[in-house]
Amino acid sequence: AQKVTQAQTEISVVEKEDVTLDCVYETRDTTYYLFWYKQPPSGELVFLIRRNSFDEQNEISGRYSWNFQKSTSSFNFTITASQVVDSAVYFCALFTGGGNKLTFGTGTQLKVEL
Amino acid sequence: EPEVTQTPSHQVTQMGQEVILRCVPISNHLYFYWYRQILGQKVEFLVSFYNNEISEKSEIFDDQFSVERPDGSNFTLKIRSTKLEDSAMYFCASSEAPQYYGYTFGSGTRLTVV
Repeated sequence: AQKVTQAQTEISVVEKEDVTLDCVYETRDTTYYLFWYKQPPSGELVFLIRRNSFDEQNEISGRYSWNFQKSTSSFNFTITASQVVDSAVYFCALFTGGGNKLTFGTGTQLKVEL
Repeated sequence: EPEVTQTPSHQVTQMGQEVILRCVPISNHLYFYWYRQILGQKVEFLVSFYNNEISEKSEIFDDQFSVERPDGSNFTLKIRSTKLEDSAMYFCASSEAPQYYGYTFGSGTRLTVV
């Protein structure tokens, strides 16, 4: 069975601070895909980033970066120089072909204040 | 950019009534999904649909739920006899190839059962 754990339920930072959201996953599949979605107060789910299990290279995309480590089954997401508009709930999610579904973590509420 | 369209955005219904939630997936997508999110909680998988049949469903998706793709463009979720605990945000999603592109989610239908 697939499982995604986001231990941080809520994080508050001051604007321009860097913030890292943690995600730990469990799966028996050797091929899997990891995602981060953002849910702003308006409620929609917005795709942010994706990583497959074969590629542990960490990347940066604008203010977003992620750290994928198979050895610890972690897929952490960092926002650099946070802004008030980053305030949202962030969900980590796991897709395995065997399951044919995206399994979400419980989400981390990020509040960025002035 | 192509979108997944859900209607209505908000529906209020009386307990025991039937509701149909409608979705228009992105036209070239082949995989379709319904998820729900009870207020403040995680996003839960309900059902996946591919090649005109259900490919997987969760324990939540019991006999009171059904899905249909009636005309090649719409994808509907029917709840036969609504209960108070069915009150939630229901998200439709579609994908061309979920492991590569993730899902594109609609903006959701907020169902309130009174």
